[in-house]
Amino acid sequence: QKEVEQNSGPLSVPEGAIASLNCTYSDRVSQSFFWYRQYSGKSPELIMSIYSNGDKEDGRFTAQLNKASQYVSLLIRDSQPSDSATYLCAVNNDVAGYSTLTFGKGTMLLVSP
Amino acid sequence: DGGITQSPKYLFRKEGQNVTLSCEQNLNHDAMYWYRQDPGQGLRLIYYSQIVNDFQKGDIAEGYSVSREKKESFPLTVTSAQKNPTAFYLCASRKHQGGHQPQHFGDGTRLSIL
Repeated sequence: QKEVEQNSGPLSVPEGAIASLNCTYSDRVSQSFFWYRQYSGKSPELIMSIYSNGDKEDGRFTAQLNKASQYVSLLIRDSQPSDSATYLCAVNNDVAGYSTLTFGKGTMLLVSP
Repeated sequence: DGGITQSPKYLFRKEGQNVTLSCEQNLNHDAMYWYRQDPGQGLRLIYYSQIVNDFQKGDIAEGYSVSREKKESFPLTVTSAQKNPTAFYLCASRKHQGGHQPQHFGDGTRLSIL
């Protein structure tokens, strides 16, 4: 069973700080990784995708990938109260010609004003 | 606007009853997925389909059934065999089955037992 592990949190940061969310995965051959944000009672929305080792930046968000360590992270700079949500890490799995995503249980982020 | 439409938003099931959740997309996506989310939990894959008339069981398919007669539609039936159906059900689609493509989600259906 492929696994994706996240700290459930909550991770509490003050407004304006950097929030760091981490994710580890078990399938060494995985090539594509996604971060989703889910507000309470809502469906997940895509924030970032990353496929290559290193950093990928998009506005206040930076995704970091280290395939050797099987580790992916999401940094949120200048955190805002509106960033308070659960962040889901998802890892793509390709088996027998089919692609699916395995999701972690998510990390709850709380940004205090 | 293109998107994924799930209906109804809320659904109640009586004992012994089958209920069907609708998922329609107009994004021209090939692959579609159904997930179940329980409180404080991540998403668990129920069924998925990559082309019309083909679908595969996910991790928790027991008590559920699907069909894929049209590219745009992927309904999920929660049968009476599913003894604990109360959950948030999410439908997603993906442009094609390539691993670099993200999945996009509908707004979900909340199912409860009466």
